[in-house]
Amino acid sequence: QAQLVESGGGVVQPGRSLRLSCAASGFTFSTYAMHWVRQAPGKGLEWVAGTSYDETFKYYADSVRGRFSISRDSPKNTLYLQMTSLRAEDTAVYYCAREARGYDQYYFDHWGQGTQVTVSS
Amino acid sequence: EIVMTQSPATLSVSPGERATLSCRASQSVSSSLAWYQQKPGQAPRLLIYGASTRATGIPARFSGGGSGTEFTLTISSLQSEDFAVYYCQQYKNWPPKTFGQGTKLEIK
Repeated sequence: QAQLVESGGGVVQPGRSLRLSCAASGFTFSTYAMHWVRQAPGKGLEWVAGTSYDETFKYYADSVRGRFSISRDSPKNTLYLQMTSLRAEDTAVYYCAREARGYDQYYFDHWGQGTQVTVSS
Repeated sequence: EIVMTQSPATLSVSPGERATLSCRASQSVSSSLAWYQQKPGQAPRLLIYGASTRATGIPARFSGGGSGTEFTLTISSLQSEDFAVYYCQQYKNWPPKTFGQGTKLEIK
């Protein structure tokens, strides 16, 4: 059974950096595209960033482009999100999500439990 | 960017009754539409993809319909565990992958 476990969240001051990790197990991580989705307190879901299975393609939401960087280490079955120049509006629960595989199957079929990021002075 | 709009924001329904949730896209997404369920303190869970295909392990009381710009999620006979927030998401034209703002299904 596929499992995704995020870590690395915490409280950080505005302007500082943080790196999130997502450990994958129970499936062949190197063959799946992966994404980060966040949820601000009391709000809905916002897609943040995604990477193809081999990192050939990387995509970002306008709200984070230039500040966040997504990467993966397939031998370690781990997805990362490097976040810099953090702002108060980046405060959210960050979820790691697996993209389904197949033509036009670009929805999220497995999610991690999330890690809380709080940006505050 | 495709904007997804869900209605109503909150739906109050009694257990055992039928609930119908709506999702509208600002332009056609064909059948590239997914529904997710989220309970308090939990991650979202995939319910429906391809507008009408139930994900693995999802009970038959959940059904999805529609195509183009208008979609529905119907829960035929509400169980206590179905009261949650539901999100639709389009994956036809991305980035970005966009979600609706959610519909909270509450007990009447």
